[in-house]
Amino acid sequence: GAVVSQHPSRVICKSGTSVKIECRSLDFQATTMFWYRQFPKKSLMLMATSNEGSKATYEQGVEKDKFLINHASLTLSTLTVTSAHPEDSSFYICSARGTSAQETQYFGPGTRLLVL
Amino acid sequence: LAKTTQPISMDSYEGQEVNITCSHNNIATNDYITWYQQFPSQGPRFIIQGYKTKVTNEVASLFIPADRKSSTLSLPRVSLSDTAVYYCLVGALYSSASKIIFGSGTRLSIRP
Repeated sequence: GAVVSQHPSRVICKSGTSVKIECRSLDFQATTMFWYRQFPKKSLMLMATSNEGSKATYEQGVEKDKFLINHASLTLSTLTVTSAHPEDSSFYICSARGTSAQETQYFGPGTRLLVL
Repeated sequence: LAKTTQPISMDSYEGQEVNITCSHNNIATNDYITWYQQFPSQGPRFIIQGYKTKVTNEVASLFIPADRKSSTLSLPRVSLSDTAVYYCLVGALYSSASKIIFGSGTRLSIRP
């Protein structure tokens, strides 16, 4: 099946710093990638949708200047949490959807962010 | 976007068949139904996907009635390792604008 990876798997940072999370589709080309965040015992909340080569579309209530998304190639999208604060601590999950035959959305393993 | 409704939680025992039903009354003509499984601190894992009637793979079956307003995920002979949250999602494939919104999911607990 299709594989999506995320790096790092977990990160601890100080308040005020920026953190970059990478999402890669390893064996297929992803036209569209999605970023979610998930709090404990809660469902996944869609943050933004990114299409390769264009600006990301953010969901209502998600600050685009806070969560910078870049989808520079068909296999890589990055999420940068700028000036992170403790309330940004969460589980961030990306997913990718292929260009043709693999239209099913496949998810990465997630990145645990802890902001101190 | 079609909204989905699932039971919040279910309990069962090892070796039993478990059926989780999802309601999606506003499903659109080009929407597919996809089920995912999620363990704690992991990303959701694809289980099965279908459009109508019945789909079966090595881990589950998906039953979709003719009106497609609901679907049932069937897990045969569950084990302790099937304890997880199961999400039913509805969305249009082959559409770059389509996005999948997660509902609350069903927390399945399997007991010995």
